[in-house]
This record gives sequence, structure tokens and C-alpha cells, in this order.
Amino acid sequence: RKEVEQDPGPFNVPEGATVAFNCTYSNSASQSFFWYRQDCRKEPKLLMSVYSSGNEDGRFTAQLNRASQYISLLIRDSKLSDSATYLCAVRSGGYQKVTFGTGTKLQVIP
Amino acid sequence: NAGVTQTPKFQVLKTGQSMTLQCAQDMNHEYMSWYRQDPGMGLRLIHYSVGAGITDQGEVPNGYNVSRSTTEDFPLRLLSAAPSQTSVYFCASSYPPGQGVSNEQFFGPGTRLTVL
Repeated sequence: RKEVEQDPGPFNVPEGATVAFNCTYSNSASQSFFWYRQDCRKEPKLLMSVYSSGNEDGRFTAQLNRASQYISLLIRDSKLSDSATYLCAVRSGGYQKVTFGTGTKLQVIP
Repeated sequence: NAGVTQTPKFQVLKTGQSMTLQCAQDMNHEYMSWYRQDPGMGLRLIHYSVGAGITDQGEVPNGYNVSRSTTEDFPLRLLSAAPSQTSVYFCASSYPPGQGVSNEQFFGPGTRLTVL
């Protein structure tokens, strides 16, 4: 089983829609969780960290479910500019290495 | 701050050649990592370092060497390039967790490597 798993998509959604991505992780001792955004042929950039109590940043909401070992990202009122690949990342292990999921591709269509 | 810089941006090698991908950061981050990204495979960790003089293997370390003699630099060496190493390589750095600051990773712009 992969350490971090995501549905690769693509998710094709109309503008204004709400879309949610999940990401599962296998190491129950994982300590830090992140969502990154990656545009085509660019480097990943942090979208938001994921906190135990859940957190929101504008149209984006991140949740952590430790019991079921997954994190989620909810995007409300999708914009064309949200089209990108969304990568989840998990920090775990003695040296706290960061492992990424394969990414979920989102395409917002007019 | 320049952030994380990588050189070269593009490189073409012949099978069997060796080369070093350079990575430097000016944020005084202790943690640095190398990833490769292939279509459908996401970012896979090659090697990482938690401080000068300390490195460890990631998920796909074979064919690559690293060293960390300074906090700023973390070069990745390809010992004998193979077509399977054709990929986009990203370097990343961060603070370690538990220091009261975000331990998000900052990425360099990547090196696009083709091995013929």
C-alpha cells in the first residue's frame, strides 16, 4: 500500500461548483499534513496546512480525520483559476520526511 | 531572499554520463529534499537531509547520491545516467517541525532532465 494515496482525477467541474478531494495516508503516527497546488510545468506551492481541528482559508476548507487516516480539501465556488493539480503531503517518521500523493487534477470549465 | 534555486533548468545527457544537479536555499532551512516527478507517479522522494552532514534515503534512491556539507546547499549526483532517470527533479527545503513556525516545504523551479 502506498504511504499516501489520492484519486488522480481528472475532476471536471463547472464554474461555481463545490468540489472535494480526499487523500489517505498509511502511517498512523504522521504528524503534519498539507495541501499543495501545482500548475502545469511549475513547482508545487503550499495551498494550506491541515490542522487537527480543520481550517478554512477563503473558499478552501481542509479537514483531518485521524481515526480514518485521511485528509480532505473542499473548494467552494470554483473559479477557472482553480484549475491545477492538488497534491496532498504528509510528514512522518523519525526524520519527518514528507511524502506526497500522486495529485488530483482539477479542471474548472466555463 | 532568492528562496530555493536550482541549476540547470534543462539538461540532456547521454546514457552513462554523470552530472550534478545543484540546489541552494537562503532561508536557513535545516531540512532539504530531492524529489522526482514523472507523469502519473506524483512526487517521489529520492534523498533528504535534516541538517548538514545528515542524509537519508527516500523512496527511490538508487542511481543517485547526495551530500550536505553546508546548510545552504544540497546537490544531487547522478552517477551513471540511464533513460529511466528522465524526469523533472525538484529540490525543496523547510524548517523542521516543532519550532513554532510553519514547516511547509518551499520548492525550487525544477530541473528537466532527459537521458538519451
